[in-house]
Amino acid sequence: DSGVTQTPKHLITATGQRVTLRCSPRSGDLSVYWYQQSLDQGLQFLIQYYNGEERAKGNILERFSAQQFPDLHSELNLSSLELGDSALYFCASSDFMGEQYFGPGTRLTVT
Amino acid sequence: GQNIDQPTEMTATEGAIVQINCTYQTSGFNGLFWYQQHAGEAPTFLSYNVLDGLEEKGRFSSFLSRSKGYSYLLLKELQMKDSASYLCAVKGYGGSQGNLIFGKGTKLSVKP
Repeated sequence: DSGVTQTPKHLITATGQRVTLRCSPRSGDLSVYWYQQSLDQGLQFLIQYYNGEERAKGNILERFSAQQFPDLHSELNLSSLELGDSALYFCASSDFMGEQYFGPGTRLTVT
Repeated sequence: GQNIDQPTEMTATEGAIVQINCTYQTSGFNGLFWYQQHAGEAPTFLSYNVLDGLEEKGRFSSFLSRSKGYSYLLLKELQMKDSASYLCAVKGYGGSQGNLIFGKGTKLSVKP
């Protein structure tokens, strides 16, 4: 158990819909990272927040957005969903040394 | 640009030694990580190299050569439970809180 929690574990929704994925980092970690992992693809970095502010952006679509709240939990919002958005979405948090700890992931299926 | 290459698949025998290579070209370098990922599960941290040389941790060792943009993960005394994907990741700009750029992973199959 990494100490990072993600909800929900599984999500099935239809094309065109909007979903919100939630992540709580390990106690004391200020950075939260979001990754997407599609079948046969590597982990694609989406976005990072540090202490409530956006710090880095990767290959995140304009239909996707995220935020980090004052209690440091983070949410990833995915809208106008397409079949190709079906993937595992991981959240990670990092300690002061920079080692990243991954949550169990949310498996999103778009039908 | 950012590029991290590692073999797609490898097969080895239980009890043997296997070396998984990783080459990288990235903008900035603040360390190289190796993660293990079983199918459908979260990646788990294996090792971290920021200086050249070998880091040993039980049955796992990782080597880094910054001048060559090269790293390898060495797994000894292979066990069936080592069958998993091994991900090489480089931390670029941003210091200790920078994001990781991952390779596509090497799927290792350990056979009896």
